[in-house]
Amino acid sequence: DAGVIQSPRHEVTEMGQEVTLRCKPISGHDYLFWYRQTMMRGLELLIYFNNNVPIDDSGMPEDRFSAKMPNASFSTLKIQPSEPRDSAVYFCASSFGVKTSGANVLTFGAGSRLTVL
Amino acid sequence: DQQVKQNSPSLSVQEGRISILNCDYTNSMFDYFLWYKKYPAEGPTFLISISSIKDKNEDGRFTVFLNKSAKHLSLHIVPSQPGDSAVYFCAASARNTGNQFYFGTGTSLTVIP
Repeated sequence: DAGVIQSPRHEVTEMGQEVTLRCKPISGHDYLFWYRQTMMRGLELLIYFNNNVPIDDSGMPEDRFSAKMPNASFSTLKIQPSEPRDSAVYFCASSFGVKTSGANVLTFGAGSRLTVL
Repeated sequence: DQQVKQNSPSLSVQEGRISILNCDYTNSMFDYFLWYKKYPAEGPTFLISISSIKDKNEDGRFTVFLNKSAKHLSLHIVPSQPGDSAVYFCAASARNTGNQFYFGTGTSLTVIP
């Protein structure tokens, strides 16, 4: 398996523009997570899905952020309109099943570095 | 409010010596803890975990210790190698938060050859 695949790896955009980040989870994984990494707060969970259904989106900072998972192999995180404070690295991660043992851990993608000017 | 805290942003250690990375948490309901390692321009990768029913878990050069009464865990790397230079994240979860993992802010470890 190629692992969790994220695109784009780098995105530079201007304030007010729409940004769409994409994620392909590991085949067979039924949980998908979106995290944001900042220096101040580390890895923050934004939203996660189970079997394509959003379970907890309480970490989504504002209505400008939205996420979808139309099928088991694809998810998007959209920011509209983008602002400079959204600049961060956004990670997608997937896992199989509910955490019960060391085998059920998150597998992260390489991340999408977003810069909003 | 950070439920998982890594108070040391960075740590430098000589090759061959022990590296000790610390993590504190506030939620007494946390029952599963993990350490992730992150190299630049890559995603975090799972390193080692521990359940709250244990106080120690060892995997090769890596050992995680859990002190539930102090709400503290630590990662020991012995001996440290230059390839261990990375950012280490501590994470925790609880049954009552579903599959949500809370991460710390990370500690950047530099192993000096």
